[in-house]
Amino acid sequence: GQNIDQPTEMTATEGAIVQINCTYQTSGFNGLFWYQQHAGEAPTFLSYNVLDGLEEKGRFSSFLSRSKGYSYLLLKELQMKDSASYLCAVRSFSGGYNKLIFGAGTRLAVHP
Amino acid sequence: GAVVSQHPSRVICKSGTSVKIECRSLDFQATTMFWYRQFPKKSLMLMATSNEGSKATYEQGVEKDKFLINHASLTLSTLTVTSAHPEDSSFYICSAPGDGNEQFFGPGTRLTVL
Repeated sequence: GQNIDQPTEMTATEGAIVQINCTYQTSGFNGLFWYQQHAGEAPTFLSYNVLDGLEEKGRFSSFLSRSKGYSYLLLKELQMKDSASYLCAVRSFSGGYNKLIFGAGTRLAVHP
Repeated sequence: GAVVSQHPSRVICKSGTSVKIECRSLDFQATTMFWYRQFPKKSLMLMATSNEGSKATYEQGVEKDKFLINHASLTLSTLTVTSAHPEDSSFYICSAPGDGNEQFFGPGTRLTVL
């Protein structure tokens, strides 16, 4: 089966750095994604990792260790608008196509 | 980036009626589309994979007779919630994979069954 774990909630201060962890167990691993979702809206793409290491994209970075089944999303210079849910999603190849399976999401609250 | 649209964005219906939700890829073709549902403060749960020209593949625990999926063309997939009940009230989101690694999501449809 597939299992994706991430913390339910986190809080952080404006201007600070926060790291959101994600652990996963899956077969047919074919990449890990991070999405941001504001309440009532569709998820928006943040990052993608398929090889081990760190991918940096502006204020956001994502890290992957395939051997450990572990990823994290790092948000720097936090802004109030970063308050949202952050979804870790694993893409697995099964039955002839790729499926994207989501973790439960981490609700991040950024306060002044 | 590529755009995926959904219609309607919101729908309220009476218990026992059927509701159809459309998902369109506006500027690209999608042989595969995915349907998710999301309960408040919960994550997206994959319901089924819609395949153009063939039957949809449903995830375990999802009733195929309850949630009818039709992928009529390379740009359109529909999800019909049949004989809807209040417990079917949810946020339904579709997505389609692009040429690269990204998956493009529609804006979602909020279904409320009275």
